[in-house]
Amino acid sequence: DVKVTQSSRYLVKRTGEKVFLECVQDMDHENMFWYRQDPGLGLRLIYFSYDVKMKEKGDIPEGYSVSREKKERFSLILESASTNQTSMYLCASRFDLAEQFFGPGTRLTVL
Amino acid sequence: DQQVKQNSPSLSVQEGRISILNCDYTNSMFDYFLWYKKYPAEGPTFLISISSIKDKNEDGRFTVFLNKSAKHLSLHIVPSQPGDSAVYFCAASSDNNDMRFGAGTRLTVKP
Repeated sequence: DVKVTQSSRYLVKRTGEKVFLECVQDMDHENMFWYRQDPGLGLRLIYFSYDVKMKEKGDIPEGYSVSREKKERFSLILESASTNQTSMYLCASRFDLAEQFFGPGTRLTVL
Repeated sequence: DQQVKQNSPSLSVQEGRISILNCDYTNSMFDYFLWYKKYPAEGPTFLISISSIKDKNEDGRFTVFLNKSAKHLSLHIVPSQPGDSAVYFCAASSDNNDMRFGAGTRLTVKP
């Protein structure tokens, strides 16, 4: 069974803090993704990575950066958290052009 | 600009009847389409997919139909069961490894 884990289920941070969201997958997938889910907007792609040290911007990369130093780990970084980044963050991994496997999500609240 | 659109935010059907969820896309480069199901506080789980070389794919109670000329796909669930109540996301992918999701449709199946 593919397992995608995210470091926290719930996180509360203050405006201006630097925030790290970690994602680890155990199936040797090349492709990893970060989405945020907001009511009425569905899942919006922030960044994705198709290989170690490679990254591509998704639809809403502003205010975010990512790091992929190892194949199994994909980190999402909020350099200076703002209240409009309060959301559910979902990480996913995928082998080649098959379906994605999602982690359980991290609900981030920025106060 | 959303490349994948689900125009019905919610759908309610009676147990035993057919549920039809619709999805439209704008990017003609998409060649692989998927449906995901999501329960609250969990990540989405893969349900069924279809390649652009097909127009129908069936898996038990779930059938996905693809109309490439109309850039439209639909998910049929028959018969619908109360356990099918969830949010359903349509997703589309091209060969550059990204994946885009719709806003989701909340399905409620009433006993």
